[in-house]
Amino acid sequence: DAGITQSPRHKVTETGTPVTLRCHQTENHRYMYWYRQDPGHGLRLIHYSYGVKDTDKGEVSDGYSVSRSKTEDFLLTLESATSSQTSVYFCATSGTGESEAFFGQGTRLTVV
Amino acid sequence: GDSVTQMEGPVTLSEEAFLTINCTYTATGYPSLFWYVQYPGEGLQLLLKATKADDKGSNKGFEATYRKETTSFHLEKGSVQVSDSAVYFCALNTGGFKTIFGAGTRLFVKA
Repeated sequence: DAGITQSPRHKVTETGTPVTLRCHQTENHRYMYWYRQDPGHGLRLIHYSYGVKDTDKGEVSDGYSVSRSKTEDFLLTLESATSSQTSVYFCATSGTGESEAFFGQGTRLTVV
Repeated sequence: GDSVTQMEGPVTLSEEAFLTINCTYTATGYPSLFWYVQYPGEGLQLLLKATKADDKGSNKGFEATYRKETTSFHLEKGSVQVSDSAVYFCALNTGGFKTIFGAGTRLFVKA
Protein backbone atom coordinates (compact mmCIF):
# COMPACT_ATOMS: atom_id res chain seq x y z
CA ASP A 1 0.00 0.00 0.00
CA ALA A 2 1.11 3.53 -0.74
CA GLY A 3 2.06 5.35 2.42
CA ILE A 4 -0.28 8.32 2.59
CA THR A 5 -0.79 10.08 5.87
CA GLN A 6 -3.29 12.85 6.47
CA SER A 7 -3.20 15.14 9.45
CA PRO A 8 -5.11 15.96 11.46
CA ARG A 9 -7.67 13.14 11.27
CA HIS A 10 -10.35 15.17 12.97
CA LYS A 11 -10.71 18.90 13.46
CA VAL A 12 -13.37 21.26 14.72
CA THR A 13 -12.87 24.91 13.88
CA GLU A 14 -14.83 28.13 14.02
CA THR A 15 -16.28 29.99 11.07
CA GLY A 16 -13.87 32.52 9.64
CA THR A 17 -10.67 30.89 10.82
CA PRO A 18 -8.00 29.57 8.43
CA VAL A 19 -7.39 25.85 8.45
CA THR A 20 -4.59 23.81 6.90
CA LEU A 21 -4.78 20.10 6.21
CA ARG A 22 -1.64 18.15 5.45
CA CYS A 23 -1.02 15.17 3.20
CA HIS A 24 2.28 13.33 3.31
CA GLN A 25 3.27 10.49 0.98
CA THR A 26 6.25 8.18 0.98
CA GLU A 27 5.78 6.70 -2.51
CA ASN A 28 7.40 9.44 -4.56
CA HIS A 29 4.23 9.75 -6.64
CA ARG A 30 4.17 12.71 -8.99
CA TYR A 31 0.44 13.44 -8.81
CA MET A 32 -1.45 14.42 -5.66
CA TYR A 33 -5.09 15.34 -5.20
CA TRP A 34 -7.45 16.76 -2.63
CA TYR A 35 -11.08 15.62 -2.68
CA ARG A 36 -14.04 16.31 -0.48
CA GLN A 37 -16.70 13.71 0.19
CA ASP A 38 -20.26 14.73 0.93
CA PRO A 39 -23.47 12.68 1.05
CA GLY A 40 -25.13 12.57 -2.35
CA HIS A 41 -22.10 14.05 -4.12
CA GLY A 42 -19.54 11.31 -3.91
CA LEU A 43 -16.01 12.60 -4.32
CA ARG A 44 -15.38 16.03 -5.77
CA LEU A 45 -11.95 17.25 -6.77
CA ILE A 46 -10.79 20.43 -5.05
CA HIS A 47 -7.24 20.89 -6.34
CA TYR A 48 -4.53 18.71 -7.75
CA SER A 49 -0.80 18.83 -8.31
CA TYR A 50 1.25 17.37 -11.14
CA GLY A 51 4.63 18.22 -9.67
CA VAL A 52 6.43 20.39 -7.16
CA LYS A 53 4.96 23.90 -7.32
CA ASP A 54 2.63 22.78 -10.14
CA THR A 55 -1.01 22.86 -9.11
CA ASP A 56 -4.38 23.38 -10.73
CA LYS A 57 -8.01 23.81 -9.75
CA GLY A 58 -10.59 21.10 -9.61
CA GLU A 59 -14.37 21.42 -9.79
CA VAL A 60 -14.93 22.86 -6.28
CA SER A 61 -11.87 25.04 -5.67
CA ASP A 62 -13.53 28.24 -4.41
CA GLY A 63 -12.41 29.03 -0.85
CA TYR A 64 -9.48 26.63 -0.99
CA SER A 65 -5.81 26.99 -1.84
CA VAL A 66 -3.00 24.45 -2.04
CA SER A 67 0.75 24.35 -1.97
CA ARG A 68 3.32 21.72 -2.84
CA SER A 69 6.88 22.68 -1.99
CA LYS A 70 8.16 19.10 -1.82
CA THR A 71 7.20 15.94 -3.69
CA GLU A 72 5.98 14.29 -0.52
CA ASP A 73 3.79 17.05 0.93
CA PHE A 74 0.57 18.61 -0.35
CA LEU A 75 -1.19 21.16 1.83
CA LEU A 76 -4.81 22.24 1.58
CA THR A 77 -5.77 25.57 3.14
CA LEU A 78 -9.26 26.84 3.82
CA GLU A 79 -8.63 30.54 3.78
CA SER A 80 -11.66 31.47 5.92
CA ALA A 81 -13.64 28.41 6.93
CA THR A 82 -17.40 28.36 6.37
CA SER A 83 -20.03 25.87 7.50
CA SER A 84 -20.41 24.68 3.88
CA GLN A 85 -16.85 23.37 4.11
CA THR A 86 -17.80 20.87 6.79
CA SER A 87 -16.89 17.63 5.07
CA VAL A 88 -14.56 14.68 4.94
CA TYR A 89 -11.40 15.51 3.02
CA PHE A 90 -9.33 12.89 1.25
CA CYS A 91 -5.87 13.15 -0.17
CA ALA A 92 -4.87 10.82 -3.00
CA THR A 93 -1.75 10.15 -5.03
CA SER A 94 -1.03 8.59 -8.37
CA GLY A 95 2.18 7.58 -10.03
CA THR A 96 1.30 8.38 -13.61
CA GLY A 97 -1.94 10.33 -13.47
CA GLU A 98 -3.64 7.66 -15.55
CA SER A 99 -3.20 4.82 -13.13
CA GLU A 100 -5.05 4.00 -9.96
CA ALA A 101 -5.23 6.49 -7.14
CA PHE A 102 -4.12 5.69 -3.59
CA PHE A 103 -6.03 7.36 -0.79
CA GLY A 104 -5.31 8.53 2.71
CA GLN A 105 -7.70 7.75 5.55
CA GLY A 106 -9.39 11.12 5.44
CA THR A 107 -9.79 14.17 7.63
CA ARG A 108 -13.18 14.93 9.14
CA LEU A 109 -13.52 18.71 9.37
CA THR A 110 -16.38 20.39 11.20
CA VAL A 111 -16.84 24.15 10.92
CA VAL A 112 -19.06 25.57 13.67
CA GLY B 1 -17.75 16.76 -20.00
CA ASP B 2 -16.72 13.36 -18.74
CA SER B 3 -19.02 11.82 -16.17
CA VAL B 4 -19.91 8.63 -14.35
CA THR B 5 -23.42 7.56 -13.34
CA GLN B 6 -24.01 4.70 -10.97
CA MET B 7 -27.13 3.28 -9.42
CA GLU B 8 -28.37 4.91 -6.28
CA GLY B 9 -28.30 3.01 -3.06
CA PRO B 10 -28.50 1.75 -0.59
CA VAL B 11 -28.56 -1.79 -1.89
CA THR B 12 -29.53 -4.34 0.75
CA LEU B 13 -28.89 -8.03 0.15
CA SER B 14 -28.84 -11.22 2.14
CA GLU B 15 -25.60 -13.15 2.46
CA GLU B 16 -24.83 -15.33 -0.60
CA ALA B 17 -27.08 -13.26 -2.88
CA PHE B 18 -25.95 -12.10 -6.33
CA LEU B 19 -24.79 -8.51 -6.58
CA THR B 20 -24.97 -6.11 -9.51
CA ILE B 21 -24.15 -2.42 -9.25
CA ASN B 22 -24.70 -0.58 -12.51
CA CYS B 23 -22.26 2.00 -13.82
CA THR B 24 -22.37 3.92 -17.09
CA TYR B 25 -20.03 6.62 -18.28
CA THR B 26 -19.66 9.48 -20.72
CA ALA B 27 -16.19 10.25 -21.93
CA THR B 28 -14.23 11.60 -24.84
CA GLY B 29 -11.46 9.33 -25.91
CA TYR B 30 -10.79 5.92 -24.42
CA PRO B 31 -10.91 5.99 -20.64
CA SER B 32 -9.60 3.53 -18.12
CA LEU B 33 -12.36 2.36 -15.80
CA PHE B 34 -12.14 1.55 -12.11
CA TRP B 35 -14.15 0.30 -9.18
CA TYR B 36 -13.08 1.51 -5.76
CA VAL B 37 -14.41 0.34 -2.39
CA GLN B 38 -14.64 2.33 0.84
CA TYR B 39 -15.05 0.47 4.12
CA PRO B 40 -16.40 2.39 7.12
CA GLY B 41 -13.97 4.97 8.47
CA GLU B 42 -11.42 4.39 5.73
CA GLY B 43 -10.28 5.92 2.48
CA LEU B 44 -11.04 4.45 -0.92
CA GLN B 45 -9.04 1.53 -2.22
CA LEU B 46 -8.89 0.08 -5.69
CA LEU B 47 -11.05 -3.00 -6.16
CA LEU B 48 -10.50 -3.66 -9.88
CA LYS B 49 -9.81 -1.91 -13.16
CA ALA B 50 -9.97 -2.30 -16.93
CA THR B 51 -8.02 -0.24 -19.40
CA LYS B 52 -9.55 -1.11 -22.78
CA ALA B 53 -12.75 -2.33 -24.34
CA ASP B 54 -13.78 -5.93 -23.54
CA ASP B 55 -11.24 -6.18 -20.70
CA LYS B 56 -12.56 -7.84 -17.57
CA GLY B 57 -11.26 -6.70 -14.22
CA SER B 58 -11.58 -9.05 -11.27
CA ASN B 59 -10.60 -9.19 -7.62
CA LYS B 60 -11.91 -10.85 -4.44
CA GLY B 61 -14.76 -12.48 -6.38
CA PHE B 62 -15.89 -9.18 -7.93
CA GLU B 63 -15.89 -8.72 -11.70
CA ALA B 64 -16.62 -5.95 -14.18
CA THR B 65 -16.35 -5.91 -17.97
CA TYR B 66 -15.53 -2.79 -19.99
CA ARG B 67 -18.36 -2.50 -22.53
CA LYS B 68 -17.60 0.24 -25.03
CA GLU B 69 -20.77 -0.31 -27.05
CA THR B 70 -23.00 0.34 -24.04
CA THR B 71 -20.51 2.63 -22.20
CA SER B 72 -20.92 0.50 -19.10
CA PHE B 73 -18.78 -1.11 -16.41
CA HIS B 74 -21.21 -2.96 -14.13
CA LEU B 75 -19.86 -4.54 -10.94
CA GLU B 76 -20.94 -8.12 -10.14
CA LYS B 77 -20.31 -10.70 -7.48
CA GLY B 78 -21.88 -14.12 -7.39
CA SER B 79 -22.21 -14.52 -3.63
CA VAL B 80 -21.85 -11.56 -1.28
CA GLN B 81 -20.68 -11.75 2.30
CA VAL B 82 -21.37 -9.53 5.28
CA SER B 83 -17.78 -8.30 5.00
CA ASP B 84 -18.60 -6.85 1.55
CA SER B 85 -20.74 -4.17 3.18
CA ALA B 86 -19.17 -0.91 2.03
CA VAL B 87 -19.59 1.96 -0.41
CA TYR B 88 -18.60 1.21 -4.01
CA PHE B 89 -17.45 3.90 -6.43
CA CYS B 90 -17.21 3.62 -10.20
CA ALA B 91 -14.60 5.90 -11.75
CA LEU B 92 -12.91 6.79 -15.02
CA ASN B 93 -9.68 8.36 -16.13
CA THR B 94 -9.10 9.63 -19.65
CA GLY B 95 -5.41 10.25 -19.13
CA GLY B 96 -5.79 13.90 -18.18
CA PHE B 97 -4.35 13.48 -14.66
CA LYS B 98 -7.80 13.45 -13.12
CA THR B 99 -10.06 10.61 -12.07
CA ILE B 100 -13.79 11.25 -12.14
CA PHE B 101 -15.88 9.38 -9.57
CA GLY B 102 -19.51 8.41 -9.46
CA ALA B 103 -21.61 9.30 -6.43
CA GLY B 104 -21.08 5.92 -4.78
CA THR B 105 -23.45 3.05 -3.97
CA ARG B 106 -23.78 1.83 -0.41
CA LEU B 107 -24.15 -1.93 -0.01
CA PHE B 108 -25.54 -3.58 3.11
CA VAL B 109 -25.29 -7.36 3.40
CA LYS B 110 -27.41 -9.06 6.06
CA ALA B 111 -26.41 -12.31 7.71
